[in-house]
Amino acid sequence: DIQMTQSPSSLSASVGDSVIITCRASQNISSYLNWYQQKPGKAPELLIYAASSLQSGVPSRFSGSGSGTDFTLTISSLQPEDFATYYCQQSYSPLALSFGGGTKVEIK
Amino acid sequence: QITLKESGPTLVKPTQTLTLTCTFSGFSFSTSGVGVGWIRQPPGKALDWLALIYWDDDKRYSPSLKNRLTITKDTSKNQVVLTMTNMDPVDTATYYCAHQRTMYSTDWNPFTWFDPWGQGILVTVSS
Repeated sequence: DIQMTQSPSSLSASVGDSVIITCRASQNISSYLNWYQQKPGKAPELLIYAASSLQSGVPSRFSGSGSGTDFTLTISSLQPEDFATYYCQQSYSPLALSFGGGTKVEIK
Repeated sequence: QITLKESGPTLVKPTQTLTLTCTFSGFSFSTSGVGVGWIRQPPGKALDWLALIYWDDDKRYSPSLKNRLTITKDTSKNQVVLTMTNMDPVDTATYYCAHQRTMYSTDWNPFTWFDPWGQGILVTVSS
């Protein structure tokens, strides 16, 4: 099975800050990496698919990059509505999809 | 517009079998590439993929839970049903169903992702 490791597990930031979240796969997954945002009490929502493609309707301050085993989600100029938990998910192995452990972005 | 909604019991006893139904609209299993997945999330913990069923009835299961899971679809009712046997308190979680989108590439392996998700249903396992 492919293990997905996110770092950090949580971070504190201020409105306007730039935030980078990292996701590492236990093996090469090419660009088969998705990012989701989850707010408390709500279902996850897709932000980025195929490592760097922005989902329609998602603000351009969100961006994804990476390939192989190392990926990043960048939020430039953090907004109040961006405080949430973020998850990465690999789809390289269709027999065993997997998510990262999550990164909680909190207000400093 | 695609929507999904989970339904089923919110409380089950240990050793019982859980049956959850995902009722959706805005897409059909008659469309090639369509998939519906189930993902769960224990309180305060991360997302955990459980199972997936495709338009052609191909089924995929989490390796760690495959012996306890069964996923089926009813194309005429636009529903997907997940059963999980031998429930335990550690299975207490919010269970989500989600539409899986597929993007075919030149590679052998298409890109897939979950969008959108249902609202989720909290299932508590307790005697």
